[in-house]
Amino acid sequence: DQQVKQNSPSLSVQEGRISILNCDYTNSMFDYFLWYKKYPAEGPTFLISISSIKDKNEDGRFTVFLNKSAKHLSLHIVPSQPGDSAVYFCAASVDNAGNMLTFGGGTRLMVKP
Amino acid sequence: EPEVTQTPSHQVTQMGQEVILRCVPISNHLYFYWYRQILGQKVEFLVSFYNNEISEKSEIFDDQFSVERPDGSNFTLKIRSTKLEDSAMYFCASSRQGVAYNEQFFGPGTRLTVL
Repeated sequence: DQQVKQNSPSLSVQEGRISILNCDYTNSMFDYFLWYKKYPAEGPTFLISISSIKDKNEDGRFTVFLNKSAKHLSLHIVPSQPGDSAVYFCAASVDNAGNMLTFGGGTRLMVKP
Repeated sequence: EPEVTQTPSHQVTQMGQEVILRCVPISNHLYFYWYRQILGQKVEFLVSFYNNEISEKSEIFDDQFSVERPDGSNFTLKIRSTKLEDSAMYFCASSRQGVAYNEQFFGPGTRLTVL
């Protein structure tokens, strides 16, 4: 089941620069998208989300962009900090509250000091 | 800040034994979920629960699995007869009712090891 894909298993970025994490999906019914951050031995932590009625949502250093026609979303982190080093998962769901999330495989971000 | 808690953090069991994984969702949340992540694989949905009944379940959630909300705070996942392939991290999550968006908050997970 590859409905949500993160094609880059890892990404290395210098501190202070921009990190761009990408995610593609195939199910056109998805209309709500989320990014989670995960440290080892912890559960996923919610970061930011976007509804399909928007193409951008910003929260501090984190911005998510959605391109519905391309079925693509991205997470921008700027400036990147060493504490941002973690695995980032994108997830998607149909409709709203209470529905299952479908996760991508994750991208390991390493921010070097 | 309220958070989802899970116990135990690590459970080791013999194949064929029953296990119960426990979760305390965030107190004002009304949707509850179980997900699992086998080592090196994606986080996979198992089941969602609302208003004291299962609202959705995946193919993984077969007759060996069950969920229960035995009181006002706990949400449990039971595996009746564990298999080797049930070894995974199991995450509980919860979300609020009445919001437009499906933000689910996850617990730290229970690592289940089936020997």
